[in-house]
Amino acid sequence: SQTIHQWPATLVQPVGSPLSLECTVEGTSNPNLYWYRQAAGRGLQLLFYSIGIDQISSEVPQNLSASRPQDRQFILSSKKLLLSDSGFYLCAWSVSGALGNYGYTFGSGTRLTVV
Amino acid sequence: AQSVTQLGSHVSVSEGALVLLRCNYSSSVPPYLFWYVQYPNQGLQLLLKYTTGATLVKGINGFEAEFKKSETSFHLTKPSAHMSDAAEYFCAVSVVKAAGNKLTFGGGTRVLVKP
Repeated sequence: SQTIHQWPATLVQPVGSPLSLECTVEGTSNPNLYWYRQAAGRGLQLLFYSIGIDQISSEVPQNLSASRPQDRQFILSSKKLLLSDSGFYLCAWSVSGALGNYGYTFGSGTRLTVV
Repeated sequence: AQSVTQLGSHVSVSEGALVLLRCNYSSSVPPYLFWYVQYPNQGLQLLLKYTTGATLVKGINGFEAEFKKSETSFHLTKPSAHMSDAAEYFCAVSVVKAAGNKLTFGGGTRVLVKP
């Protein structure tokens, strides 16, 4: 069966420090991968999605970047964190291709607090 | 462009009472629709989905939703609320593109269950 792992679960980082959040998927090949953010009192915002290795699409201009160095690995990064980067970050995967009927499977999330 | 509107960011129900969460969508093509539940500091879990066929969809934990094309709605219901239903609920519509599907989420509805 497929599983998705996301770490760390919580992170407190000072302003200006770098960030690296990692997400890996097991039990499937060539998944679509996604990074979402939930800020306090706001909904789910799609940050990046990827349909393959080194194929990243950015949804919102920001201080963050994403990379997919391996088929089932998706990394969210920042060179210098801002206070506004605080939030709950969720990784998700879906079946590859233009299939809309499977939905997403989400990881357990990372709570990032920038201080 | 597709969009999802959830009426009411907060809903309070008594234990044993009906739970009704409203979701309206806009889509230029027949939609795939989803409801997710999120417990505090956790990822999103799929409750149910509508793809094709029967318009009344049953999901986990006693929830069901009905797709009404004429009303562009996909409201979520549960006949009798349980304390464990306290969570945030998200409605989503799937956007299928050649580059892969993307889910657009509503703003979420937080459910409080009173004893």
